[in-house]
Amino acid sequence: NAGVTQTPKFRVLKTGQSMTLLCAQDMNHEYMYWYRQDPGMGLRLIHYSVGEGTTAKGEVPDGYNVSRLKKQNFLLGLESAAPSQTSVYFCASKLGREGDEQFFGPGTRLTVL
Amino acid sequence: GQNIDQPTEMTATEGAIVQINCTYQTSGFNGLFWYQQHAGEAPTFLSYNVLDGLEEKGRFSSFLSRSKGYSYLLLKELQMKDSASYLCAVMDSNYQLIWGAGTKLIIKP
Repeated sequence: NAGVTQTPKFRVLKTGQSMTLLCAQDMNHEYMYWYRQDPGMGLRLIHYSVGEGTTAKGEVPDGYNVSRLKKQNFLLGLESAAPSQTSVYFCASKLGREGDEQFFGPGTRLTVL
Repeated sequence: GQNIDQPTEMTATEGAIVQINCTYQTSGFNGLFWYQQHAGEAPTFLSYNVLDGLEEKGRFSSFLSRSKGYSYLLLKELQMKDSASYLCAVMDSNYQLIWGAGTKLIIKP
């Protein structure tokens, strides 16, 4: 099992450009999450999904969109990148709602110039 | 508002014991998680507490007091590989994780 994978691992964008981050999991998990991690701050939830075809906003959704067309994939889109979106992005998945642990992907380091 | 507090940085000696504290104020409580994150890597799960008391798992133990909004992670027989950030996260009433900023633990020989 590959677990949770993310592509790309690194990306540099110019302000106003768009891109999509791909997250894939092979554990048949229902729940998937996109976080951003900035220095000195905790992980902040951007969007999440509780199952195929469903998405919901997290704490910091502005400037991002997501889609979950297939259970194993969760895509995060930036339509018009801004320097404030420079961050490390982590995808995570878990089996169920309650005490199950979240499994994290290796992260995507995004720089917006 | 929701708040998770933990020390920014701690230093300890190889072979010693260290306790990392976490206090929280959240809208509801459905459990508390501890994760370990090495520099440049993803967080990995360490422990989950939903009832008061101590959970032991090898060299690592985690304690929870719901009435005090308090938890700690205890690391024994410290090894150099334990140098990492330790993240405290509380599952709120909506079953979402609220994360602390993490405690960077530095282990010295």
